[in-house]
Amino acid sequence: DQQVKQNSPSLSVQEGRISILNCDYTNSMFDYFLWYKKYPAEGPTFLISISSIKDKNEDGRFTVFLNKSAKHLSLHIVPSQPGDSAVYFCAASWRGGSEKLVFGKGTKLTVNP
Amino acid sequence: DSGVTQTPKHLITATGQRVTLRCSPRSGDLSVYWYQQSLDQGLQFLIQYYNGEERAKGNILERFSAQQFPDLHSELNLSSLELGDSALYFCASSVGGRASVEQFFGPGTRLTVL
Repeated sequence: DQQVKQNSPSLSVQEGRISILNCDYTNSMFDYFLWYKKYPAEGPTFLISISSIKDKNEDGRFTVFLNKSAKHLSLHIVPSQPGDSAVYFCAASWRGGSEKLVFGKGTKLTVNP
Repeated sequence: DSGVTQTPKHLITATGQRVTLRCSPRSGDLSVYWYQQSLDQGLQFLIQYYNGEERAKGNILERFSAQQFPDLHSELNLSSLELGDSALYFCASSVGGRASVEQFFGPGTRLTVL
């Protein structure tokens, strides 16, 4: 039972354009969401997070949007840069419960120069 | 560099064998987490230790066990290995005991079971 789904295994965009990575979740108890970025041969690194009391969080070129009614979140990268090429993992947590992070399978983003 | 170290980087072994993966958390971090990433899968949470005590358990098989030592480094022991255990194993650490915070990941250990 996959509680966090990233339905697009890959995404390709042009440098300077917007990248939109999507994530859906099924567990309505999740109240905290994170995005991690992973380069080959490295561990994931934290990118940005959002609490369920917000619908948007911004950090530089990265913005995460949360739509609780649709159980959907998205990560926007504007403008995209070749160095953003990596695998992006969405993760969710229930802070009021077990708290463990539940990860999606990841989306491989390629930003073409 | 996240500050989390994992050894070894690669491990090749045979079915039925036992291996130990080692993790040193960032300086000051009290929690250590273990994750498994199999082919085409997301990271699956295995277990969390906080200051030497088991804090949370995920989908960890009975053949697997872990511990955290007084110096806060952790070891993940995998025994009676099967082909399906081949995966990337990541260790992560965080300051406190809450899992829903930014976790810092090591580079992983790639285990191949032949």
